[in-house]
Amino acid sequence: ETGVTQSPTHLIKTRGQQVTLRCSSQSGHNTVSWYQQALGQGPQFIFQYYREEENGRGNFPPRFSGLQFPNYSSELNVNALELDDSALYLCASSSGLAGGTDTQYFGPGTRLTVL
Amino acid sequence: ILNVEQSPQSLHVQEGDSTNFTCSFPSSNFYALHWYRWETAKSPEALFVMTLNGDEKKKGRISATLNTKEGYSYLYIKGSQPEDSATYLCAYTPGGGGSYIPTFGRGTSLIVHP
Repeated sequence: ETGVTQSPTHLIKTRGQQVTLRCSSQSGHNTVSWYQQALGQGPQFIFQYYREEENGRGNFPPRFSGLQFPNYSSELNVNALELDDSALYLCASSSGLAGGTDTQYFGPGTRLTVL
Repeated sequence: ILNVEQSPQSLHVQEGDSTNFTCSFPSSNFYALHWYRWETAKSPEALFVMTLNGDEKKKGRISATLNTKEGYSYLYIKGSQPEDSATYLCAYTPGGGGSYIPTFGRGTSLIVHP
């Protein structure tokens, strides 16, 4: 089994810019979830994609959007970056929905800094 | 906003000590609870998925219990080793809605001193 990978590892952007983060799911998994972890906090659920459709969104504005591709890899797009978007962004893949009874496998994260 | 609390926030123990920490969550409308271990510079790693009141799960020296009626789960580590040093996260999922969105606690940071 190949693990979950994320790219890039680190990224620096300025306010107002747009960013795309990428995630490759573990082989055989049809669900990918994205999380934001700000300093001192636990991971916060952004949204999840199940078979290319968004299925559940946390308390994040519409400028956070995503895609899941037929090979189940995924992108997280953030428009109009704000300073508070600086965080570690994690993706996780699983055979079922994120908080369900299936195990989630996490990637190593992308550290985004917004200046 | 769901309240998932983990305590203590951090813990320092000596090698060989046994330790435990707590995850508290709303006692109504429970669906699942996940425990993760997150070592520095690595990816969070799933430890347990717990779904039934009274569940007990074990993996080597680590075990967990679940009480959904009172809204808590305990994670135990027996005979801590330096390689157990990590942040331990729990994630609570309420039932209903169909999307099963998890809410994470802030984690317990465990440092095991040789």
